[in-house]
Amino acid sequence: AQSVTQLDSQVPVFEEAPVELRCNYSSSVSVYLFWYVQYPNQGLQLLLKYLSGSTLVKGINGFEAEFNKSQTSFHLRKPSVHISDTAEYFCAVSDHAGNNRKLIWGLGTSLAVNP
Amino acid sequence: KAGVTQTPRYLIKTRGQQVTLSCSPISGHRSVSWYQQTPGQGLQFLFEYFSETQRNKGNFPGRFSGRQFSNSRSEMNVSTLELGDSALYLCASSLGYGSKNIQYFGAGTRLSVL
Repeated sequence: AQSVTQLDSQVPVFEEAPVELRCNYSSSVSVYLFWYVQYPNQGLQLLLKYLSGSTLVKGINGFEAEFNKSQTSFHLRKPSVHISDTAEYFCAVSDHAGNNRKLIWGLGTSLAVNP
Repeated sequence: KAGVTQTPRYLIKTRGQQVTLSCSPISGHRSVSWYQQTPGQGLQFLFEYFSETQRNKGNFPGRFSGRQFSNSRSEMNVSTLELGDSALYLCASSLGYGSKNIQYFGAGTRLSVL
């Protein structure tokens, strides 16, 4: 069965510092990978996705992630964070199995950017 | 283009009651998925509808049900509410059905069961 582990539940960081939010998954089949962000009292917004092709994926708001198949990881990075990046970040995976789409989610990482 | 709209935003119910939540997808989107979000369990998939048919279902009891109308709007119903049903319920829409289709989320309905 698929599963997603976000290795850090909370990540505090100072403004303009780099950040990495870690995500590992387990699956016996090829997968699609996603990062979503949730701001307070809002729904989730797609940051970036890996479907195929280049393993380095660039998303919105300066975020990027690298798909590492051998380590089954999809870590999210940003070279310089802003106060406005404070939010909850979710990693999700779904498999390629036909049209049976069921996103499996990590428990989230709370990013707190301090001045 | 308007986003995904969920109504109501907040609900307070008592144990044993039933509740209906509504979701209007982005115009042109034909797939609607529902998720339950709680601090302890995170996001859990409830079900997905496409063209008025349930295409996929998560591991929730039969008290949780849904439907989709011909205009793609969807409703989710929870009968005989339990305290553990308190959660944020999120609806997501996508153009099509399948893993590659990106989901766009509404702001959610926060349900409190007393």
